[in-house]
Amino acid sequence: QQQVKQSPQSLIVQKGGISIINCAYENTAFDYFPWYQQFPGKGPALLIAIRPDVSEKKEGRFTISFNKSAKQFSLHIMDSQPGDSATYFCAASPGNQFYFGTGTSLTVIP
Amino acid sequence: SAVISQKPSRDICQRGTSLTIQCQVDSQVTMMFWYRQQPGQSLTLIATANQGSEATYESGFVIDKFPISRPNLTFSTLTVSNMSPEDSSIYLCSVDRGYEQYFGPGTRLTVT
Repeated sequence: QQQVKQSPQSLIVQKGGISIINCAYENTAFDYFPWYQQFPGKGPALLIAIRPDVSEKKEGRFTISFNKSAKQFSLHIMDSQPGDSATYFCAASPGNQFYFGTGTSLTVIP
Repeated sequence: SAVISQKPSRDICQRGTSLTIQCQVDSQVTMMFWYRQQPGQSLTLIATANQGSEATYESGFVIDKFPISRPNLTFSTLTVSNMSPEDSSIYLCSVDRGYEQYFGPGTRLTVT
């Protein structure tokens, strides 16, 4: 059973546009929600993370929106750039283990 | 953060052989994790390695197939034994710093 459901599987966005990736979970014990960025041939790199006591966290062009009641969280990439083209994974953790989404392949076209 | 290195970065191995993957961290950590990432798939936890104790394996993974060593607080190895083409994957080592988890660059294994 997939603990964290991620969509879409792939996403194509024009340069300068907004990329939005969504994740949903069921386990209310999750209290940490990170996003990872993975380029081909590299390991996943922590991009941004949020805890459920806030509804939004912004770091540069990357924003996490968190809806605790709906058990959903999303990553927004503003002013998307070709260099953002990568695979993005959401994850959730209750503190002792991480559960990853299935990944979203983002392509930003010039 | 944490700086993690893995060796080898990639390898092509024959069916029935074994490969040992090394993971080195730049500072001491209590737990190290081994993940498998099959092509185009998400990350699946293989096992958690604590220094001084037996590794804890996730459902579907067994010690005979994926023996792990953890000789000290900065180093671990994962062996993929008696390999088959289904073992072709990226194998990732990771560590955590509180809630934050950091990954090595991965070892891309192809079994022919």
